[in-house]
Amino acid sequence: QKEVEQNSGPLSVPEGAIASLNCTYSDRGSQSFFWYRQYSGKSPELIMFIYSNGDKEDGRFTAQLNKASQYVSLLIRDSQPSDSATYLCAGGRGGGADGLTFGKGTHLIIQP
Amino acid sequence: GAGVSQSPSNKVTEKGKDVELRCDPISGHTALYWYRQSLGQGLEFLIYFQGNSAPDKSGLPSDRFSAERTGGSVSTLTIQRTQQEDSAVYLCASSLGPAGGQETQYFGPGTRLLVL
Repeated sequence: QKEVEQNSGPLSVPEGAIASLNCTYSDRGSQSFFWYRQYSGKSPELIMFIYSNGDKEDGRFTAQLNKASQYVSLLIRDSQPSDSATYLCAGGRGGGADGLTFGKGTHLIIQP
Repeated sequence: GAGVSQSPSNKVTEKGKDVELRCDPISGHTALYWYRQSLGQGLEFLIYFQGNSAPDKSGLPSDRFSAERTGGSVSTLTIQRTQQEDSAVYLCASSLGPAGGQETQYFGPGTRLLVL
């Protein structure tokens, strides 16, 4: 059973602070990991993907992957009210046949 | 360029009716995926198409669900004899390829299905 676990939140963070979102996965065969942002009533939009252990930075976002611990995280620096959304973590084996396995998401609230 | 498009955006139907949902992937994307998202739940993977290859249908929730992809592009998801538990948002995604760094999936706006 492939599972991706996330704390559902809500996670409340003051504007300008760092928001830290965490995710664990059970399938050791997962090769690629994705963070999507989903606003209420909208479809998921890609924030970042990461394949290799370590950190990957893109603007205010940093994704971290630790395959030994089966742990993925997303850091959002200088949080803005517009960052308030549900963040979905997903893992995939590559090859497409199983699609991506998504967590249920963490609801993030940035307090002005 | 244009993103993934889906139609209809909303569909209300009566229990027992058949519905057909359509997905147009991003041009040049060979891989196409269908997911279902029920209220307050995560995304549930349904089926995957790679080019013109026959899909693995084992992820479909019941035999009332079927999907096809014509010409390696447009896909339709058909739900026969709809039930109230089929009410959800049906999301389509596409990617350049299934692996090798091309598997990032881009989602369409979804079809919100309500079965009365």
